[in-house]
Amino acid sequence: AQSVTQLDSHVSVSEGTPVLLRCNYSSSYSPSLFWYVQHPNKGLQLLLKYTSAATLVKGINGFEAEFKKSETSFHLTKPSAHMSDAAEYFCVVYNAGNMLTFGGGTRLMVKP
Amino acid sequence: EPEVTQTPSHQVTQMGQEVILRCVPISNHLYFYWYRQILGQKVEFLVSFYNNEISEKSEIFDDQFSVERPDGSNFTLKIRSTKLEDSAMYFCASRGLAGGVPYNEQFFGPGTRLTVL
Repeated sequence: AQSVTQLDSHVSVSEGTPVLLRCNYSSSYSPSLFWYVQHPNKGLQLLLKYTSAATLVKGINGFEAEFKKSETSFHLTKPSAHMSDAAEYFCVVYNAGNMLTFGGGTRLMVKP
Repeated sequence: EPEVTQTPSHQVTQMGQEVILRCVPISNHLYFYWYRQILGQKVEFLVSFYNNEISEKSEIFDDQFSVERPDGSNFTLKIRSTKLEDSAMYFCASRGLAGGVPYNEQFFGPGTRLTVL
């Protein structure tokens, strides 16, 4: 069975500093992995996805993530945080059984 | 840009009452899903629906729950007799095809917050 662990429930950074949101997964086969973002009172928006092509995946709003099979990780990064990045971020694995399995979420706070 | 919509945004009901949560998936999508997120917990899969029938469901999706695509645009989740523990945010999602092959990305609606009193 697939599972996802987001290592930090809350991350706080200053505007203009780098962002790192950590995610580890377990999967019995090569997974498809996603990062979704949820702003207050909004739906879940896809940031980026890994589907066994390039291991470094670029997404929207300057975010990127690197798939590391040896570490079973898919950490989300951004070189410079912006106030508008404050939101909840979910690491998600796609199961062959047609469903998404979500991590617990990381709330990103950006200080001015 | 097409998007998934959900109504209502917030539903308050009494325990034991029936509720219907409504979703309008993206128009050319063929796969439909419901997820829920109890406050402070993970987003959990409830059910997937394709070709007018349930294709997969989780343990949460018991006999109190049902889904329906009553017409060509709506996708509904019904809870027959609500319990306090059904209070959660319910998300609808849909998925389409690219070149005749279903792609992995699911598009989510903004959610309906259900409060059972």
